[in-house]
Amino acid sequence: DAGITQSPRHKVTETGTPVTLRCHQTENHRYMYWYRQDPGHGLRLIHYSYGVKDTDKGEVSDGYSVSRSKTEDFLLTLESATSSQTSVYFCAISESTSGTQTQETQYFGPGTRLLVL
Amino acid sequence: KNQVEQSPQSLIILEGKNCTLQCNYTVSPFSNLRWYKQDTGRGPVSLTIMTFSENTKSNGRYTATLDADTKQSSLHITASQLSDSASYICVVKSGGSYIPTFGRGTSLIVHP
Repeated sequence: DAGITQSPRHKVTETGTPVTLRCHQTENHRYMYWYRQDPGHGLRLIHYSYGVKDTDKGEVSDGYSVSRSKTEDFLLTLESATSSQTSVYFCAISESTSGTQTQETQYFGPGTRLLVL
Repeated sequence: KNQVEQSPQSLIILEGKNCTLQCNYTVSPFSNLRWYKQDTGRGPVSLTIMTFSENTKSNGRYTATLDADTKQSSLHITASQLSDSASYICVVKSGGSYIPTFGRGTSLIVHP
């Protein structure tokens, strides 16, 4: 299994405060993703990265920013947390098991539970 | 718009019974389809990954099928165990895109 850790694992914060979630990988994979998971919606992509300093928006990127200054770390920042951002956040990484994108497998971290009061 | 629909939304079965979960997709062009298992409070874990040329793939008691013509996939679980209780998520990836399309999952509960 790919080594992916997320920190913190749980966080309670207040509306209007900035929050940063960290994803760390030990596998040197090129692609990293941030998702949120909410009841009735499944997993939704917030932002993704295809290399150091190379990032792009997903389908629910408003209110979020990301940074990737090193291959192993992908940070997600809630610039000013709102109650609608209460969710479970998952980081994922992907590799190409056969050297082509067709066979790529995505591995997920354990998740961060965020509660915005 | 790329979409992945899963059915049923939830399913309750008795331990030892078989079950089949369905996934229909409209993702184009198709690259691969994956089934994930997500235990409560944990991240999804990949069960199978299938490409266009693969019709069936097994992983222990889990067997996935793919019909690329009708854009349908199924996940068959044989001789269910209590540990199979989880959410099963179908994910389809479009060729040339970094972004997969996720289904909302099927919640499976296995009762003793």
